[in-house]
Amino acid sequence: DTGVSQNPRHKITKRGQNVTFRCDPISEHNRLYWYRQTLGQGPEFLTYFQNEAQLEKSRLLSDRFSAERPKGSFSTLEIQRTEQGDSAMYLCASSRLGRSTNEKLFFGSGTQLSVL
Amino acid sequence: DAKTTQPTSMDCAEGRAANLPCNHSTISGNEYVYWYRQIHSQGPQYIIHGLKNNETNEMASLIITEDRKSSTLILPHATLRDTAVYYCIVRPDNNAGNMLTFGGGTRLMVKP
Repeated sequence: DTGVSQNPRHKITKRGQNVTFRCDPISEHNRLYWYRQTLGQGPEFLTYFQNEAQLEKSRLLSDRFSAERPKGSFSTLEIQRTEQGDSAMYLCASSRLGRSTNEKLFFGSGTQLSVL
Repeated sequence: DAKTTQPTSMDCAEGRAANLPCNHSTISGNEYVYWYRQIHSQGPQYIIHGLKNNETNEMASLIITEDRKSSTLILPHATLRDTAVYYCIVRPDNNAGNMLTFGGGTRLMVKP
């Protein structure tokens, strides 16, 4: 169990550019979540997958944001035409949904995005 | 989801117990109380959760009042490494994929 891995750890981009982040969840975890966190605030939910199906998206997830989890393993989060307001820490979490209802989320260390 | 109210910040002396309160007066019968913490530059980390009984694990104890309107997370012997933001979250446990809704949390500073 190597934990949730996110790449890159830091990304600096210019306004208007596209960026893509990757998340590798814990092996055999069937749920994967994306959150966004700005300085001094708690993480905000963006979207989640169960296996390869994207089951819920927050209203925070504008049309410029798209997430995929093509084979139910790793996931990517793409932001098109980045804006300065997109600057934040993007966190990925995974969990294993089994017969028990005790769902614990395991978070990665995040990707820090800075849009100049 | 029910809202939670936590103090913005707290201090604790190293080696002493840290007691972090949380109010969740509108909690519903099927909602669990979860605690996560976030150490600087890391993602949140699960600590403990409970429904109505007190819970204890290797990290902490969770005390839930009988009316379930409030709870306290107890770190029995705080260390400097426990300095973090602690989030109290209530969440229905119905396997519907309800996301965790984080508030502002309590910033705990453990001092030597």
